[in-house]
Amino acid sequence: SQTIHQWPATLVQPVGSPLSLECTVEGTSNPNLYWYRQAAGRGLQLLFYSVGIGQISSEVPQNLSASRPQDRQFILSSKKLLLSDSGFYLCAWSGQTPKQYFGPGTRLTVT
Amino acid sequence: GQQVMQIPQYQHVQEGEDFTTYCNSSTTLSNIQWYKQRPGGHPVFLIQLVKSGEVKKQKRLTFQFGEAKKNSSLHITATQTTDVGTYFCMTSGTYKYIFGTGTRLKVLA
Repeated sequence: SQTIHQWPATLVQPVGSPLSLECTVEGTSNPNLYWYRQAAGRGLQLLFYSVGIGQISSEVPQNLSASRPQDRQFILSSKKLLLSDSGFYLCAWSGQTPKQYFGPGTRLTVT
Repeated sequence: GQQVMQIPQYQHVQEGEDFTTYCNSSTTLSNIQWYKQRPGGHPVFLIQLVKSGEVKKQKRLTFQFGEAKKNSSLHITATQTTDVGTYFCMTSGTYKYIFGTGTRLKVLA
């Protein structure tokens, strides 16, 4: 069966520090991968999606970037965090259908 | 761009009462999905609707897709404390995924 992992689960980082969040998927090949951000008590905002290795599409302009170095690995990065980057970051994958399978998420607090 | 609005934003019900959340779009939707997110958790897929006027049931949950494919609803009959969470609708196009704003449900025992 397929599983999706995210780490770390929680993170507290100072403003201006770098960020790296990792997501890996097991049990499936060539998944579509997604990064979402959810502000406290709000809906989900799609940040990036990827349909293959090295293929990244950005949905919103921001100081975040994403990379997909391997088929089942998706990384979210920032060179300098802003206070507004705080939130719950969710990685998800999908296969042939639009159904999204979400990871457990990373709760990021920028101080 | 395309937006999907959900109402209400919050709903408190007594256990045993019914609950409905609505998802509305100004444009025709190709499909609609519903997700549930428990407090502190991640969204979990519930169902997908693709046909005009489609109705699907999962135990106490009834999902509808409007005839014009511009709105959808999720109805829970006789809520239980396990129904607590935020319910999101989502629509998708080619690699375009738009989530509704969500309805947060609290069930009072």
